[in-house]
Amino acid sequence: GDSVTQMEGPVTLSEEAFLTINCTYTATGYPSLFWYVQYPGEGLQLLLKATKADDKGSNKGFEATYRKETTSFHLEKGSVQVSDSAVYFCALSQIQGAQKLVFGQGTRLTINP
Amino acid sequence: DAGVIQSPRHEVTEMGQEVTLRCKPISGHNSLFWYRQTMMRGLELLIYFNNNVPIDDSGMPEDRFSAKMPNASFSTLKIQPSEPRDSAVYFCASSLLTNSYNEQFFGPGTRLTVL
Repeated sequence: GDSVTQMEGPVTLSEEAFLTINCTYTATGYPSLFWYVQYPGEGLQLLLKATKADDKGSNKGFEATYRKETTSFHLEKGSVQVSDSAVYFCALSQIQGAQKLVFGQGTRLTINP
Repeated sequence: DAGVIQSPRHEVTEMGQEVTLRCKPISGHNSLFWYRQTMMRGLELLIYFNNNVPIDDSGMPEDRFSAKMPNASFSTLKIQPSEPRDSAVYFCASSLLTNSYNEQFFGPGTRLTVL
């Protein structure tokens, strides 16, 4: 079945550092790909998405490009802030059917001032 | 819009007791999802509904778990009897199912502790 693998956490960076969180997937067909973010004590929120190969999703300075040839959707940000500290989940969904999300295990990110 | 509403936010109970978690989806949404989050297993989909009908409950751990959606604005997840290994954060999410993907909106979760 479909699956998502994220880089192991936790990840700790200093403010203004460059961030990359790796995500690869295994799926049939052409799934849509997502990054969700979970701030402490809250539910998940959609951060960005890409629905087809070579699409780039972006939001709040974060970017991820749908790479079908490498089955990857790595999350990047050029300069992180303390407020970016959260758990980040990579996920995929097949458009056909119920559109249920398959999540990676999550990566906890801590940004130190 | 108030977003997805879950209650209670925290629940502490003793092993063997019945637990009922509640969810009110966003008005107009026609899909509802129940997830469980633990440190060991991450985020797991338990069950989802389309138009109030359960579509896939293969993620429900065992018969002690049951979920209902009597109408478009309310769903419950029940555990009877509860066990310590059921301790987790339970999330409800809703979305509008169309021919293209639409975002799932998550509630704040219910943190369940079974002693």
